[in-house]
Amino acid sequence: EDKVVQSPLSLVVHEGDTVTLNCSYEVTNFRSLLWYKQEKKAPTFLFMLTSSGIEKKSGRLSSILDKKELFSILNITATQTGDSAVYLCAVEAWGAQKLVFGQGTRLTINP
Amino acid sequence: KAGVTQTPRYLIKTRGQQVTLSCSPISGHRSVSWYQQTPGQGLQFLFEYFSETQRNKGNFPGRFSGRQFSNSRSEMNVSTLELGDSALYLCASSLVWGRTDTQYFGPGTRLTVL
Repeated sequence: EDKVVQSPLSLVVHEGDTVTLNCSYEVTNFRSLLWYKQEKKAPTFLFMLTSSGIEKKSGRLSSILDKKELFSILNITATQTGDSAVYLCAVEAWGAQKLVFGQGTRLTINP
Repeated sequence: KAGVTQTPRYLIKTRGQQVTLSCSPISGHRSVSWYQQTPGQGLQFLFEYFSETQRNKGNFPGRFSGRQFSNSRSEMNVSTLELGDSALYLCASSLVWGRTDTQYFGPGTRLTVL
């Protein structure tokens, strides 16, 4: 059965710190790995990764995938209080047409 | 362009009752997926509809069902509610079937079963 594990489950840091969120996965016929940010309501799409070693970047957020070791990291630099959210990692397998999500990492940024 | 809308936003039911949740996708989107989110299990895939046909189904009992109408709006139904069905139910729409990177989530319906 496909599985996604995120760590840590919860993280509290000070504004300005850099954080690294981890996502490891086991999936047959891997197609893609996606990161979402969920505040109070709907998850919003951050990145989709399909190839190893290619960093995706958007402002202070970046992510990279390692298909050999079956994990991905999400980095956030110079964190701000608005980065406080649950960060979700999900994987999709070829032919599955559905996402398997991890438990999420609850990130809290204190001023 | 309006986003994905879900109604109702909050719902309280008692055990044994049934419930119907509604999802209106973004205009032009034809695929609708449903997810259940609980603190214990996280986000879990329920089913996906495209062109009024269920294309994929997650590991949920038959009490969970859904349908999609010709205007792409979708409903999900849960019969004989159990306490464990208390959750945030999210729907997501995408333009075509299988494009998870272009899925847009709605705000969810929070169901509480007493």
